[in-house]
Amino acid sequence: AQKITQTQPGMFVQEKEAVTLDCTYDTSDQSYGLFWYKQPSSGEMIFLIYQGSYDEQNATEGRYSLNFQKARKSANLVISASQLGDSAMYFCAMREGRNTGFQKLVFGTGTRLLVSP
Amino acid sequence: EAGVAQSPRYKIIEKRQSVAFWCNPISGHATLYWYQQILGQGPKLLIQFQNNGVVDDSQLPKDRFSAERLKGVDSTLKIQPEKLEDSAVYLCASSPRQGGGELFFGEGSRLTVL
Repeated sequence: AQKITQTQPGMFVQEKEAVTLDCTYDTSDQSYGLFWYKQPSSGEMIFLIYQGSYDEQNATEGRYSLNFQKARKSANLVISASQLGDSAMYFCAMREGRNTGFQKLVFGTGTRLLVSP
Repeated sequence: EAGVAQSPRYKIIEKRQSVAFWCNPISGHATLYWYQQILGQGPKLLIQFQNNGVVDDSQLPKDRFSAERLKGVDSTLKIQPEKLEDSAVYLCASSPRQGGGELFFGEGSRLTVL
């Protein structure tokens, strides 16, 4: 079963507008973590933001915020005031495996964001 | 602080030739991961090391792939591809501890199988 689902293969946004990238997840763990990574065309994976399953407040990091809705198992990334440099692939990931003694990140298929002038 | 280093960045080989990719994690990071990223997909974990021990290699195709992390620092991923589908970017990542925190990735090594 798909653990992380990103239903938007591509998204377009105009510079300075806000954009929301969707992510839903599936886990039976009570304790887990959710991550967003950015992958520009150069290939490296850049960590953006993290949300723990017990965190009551939504995570924020500068222009990035994570809209965490635990009951709906969604962890959407919101980018405010988009910039041209935000054009990239964005991956949602979940840390799982707490109960097995070792943990790993499982990634979704990604959303390609294109920011236009 | 130096990031995760990987080499070579690019390699083109034919099926059944072999290649070795090298990874040097961030200094002091105990956990090291190799991920495979096929074009258009998200990264998929191949193998995870804690220091020099393997903690998860359940998704490593052991008939074609092997990996080691001698001395618990740098790591080598060896591939003898038999499938064109082994063409991918191989990402190395490290984290300071086993139980949490973000992963820090290298720039990846792109393998093209002819």
